[in-house]
Amino acid sequence: DTGVSQNPRHKITKRGQNVTFRCDPISEHNRLYWYRQTLGQGPEFLTYFQNEAQLEKSRLLSDRFSAERPKGSFSTLEIQRTEQGDSAMYLCASSVGQGRVYNEQFFGPGTRLTVL
Amino acid sequence: DQQVKQNSPSLSVQEGRISILNCDYTNSMFDYFLWYKKYPAEGPTFLISISSIKDKNEDGRFTVFLNKSAKHLSLHIVPSQPGDSAVYFCAAHRLNTDKLIFGTGTRLQVFP
Repeated sequence: DTGVSQNPRHKITKRGQNVTFRCDPISEHNRLYWYRQTLGQGPEFLTYFQNEAQLEKSRLLSDRFSAERPKGSFSTLEIQRTEQGDSAMYLCASSVGQGRVYNEQFFGPGTRLTVL
Repeated sequence: DQQVKQNSPSLSVQEGRISILNCDYTNSMFDYFLWYKKYPAEGPTFLISISSIKDKNEDGRFTVFLNKSAKHLSLHIVPSQPGDSAVYFCAAHRLNTDKLIFGTGTRLQVFP
């Protein structure tokens, strides 16, 4: 399967715990994006990378959230001291991405986080 | 501030008929508009896009229309098939960034 993959697919945690999600983009895609989708809403942009450089961060990405893409391949999204409001589907996407023009984004299946 | 709006949360259409999904936007800085389809437990799948300099784009059974003066776009599916039953998201790409802004989605159900 050469699509975007995300692990784990589901994560249940207790409030206050830290969680980390992984995203593997389509091979040779330069750009990697993170979105969050809550119930009844569309995906909301969190951040994106061009290779290993983080180019933009949303105001939704509080200081408890950190995303990395250390070698320009896979990415991790960590949430520290989780809160119940963090419960959502976390979606990763990738594109061939060059410049500030439209690039088709291919989405992974998402990681569903439930914070108890 | 909802920049992309889908005012119909659901739509039910008979198989073989036309499905029309609507989307409104408020920001003139969008350069591309897209439609994504989403099944439960899967990520969104790209369906069709349109540049802001066009007013129509067609791909098989799917046609997207853009009315810039009204800041409105629509997705037409004809003929509708039961496999089209899913949630459809309208999204807009903002000029000079590379992020997508999504609407809240419309759940389409195509019944026999």
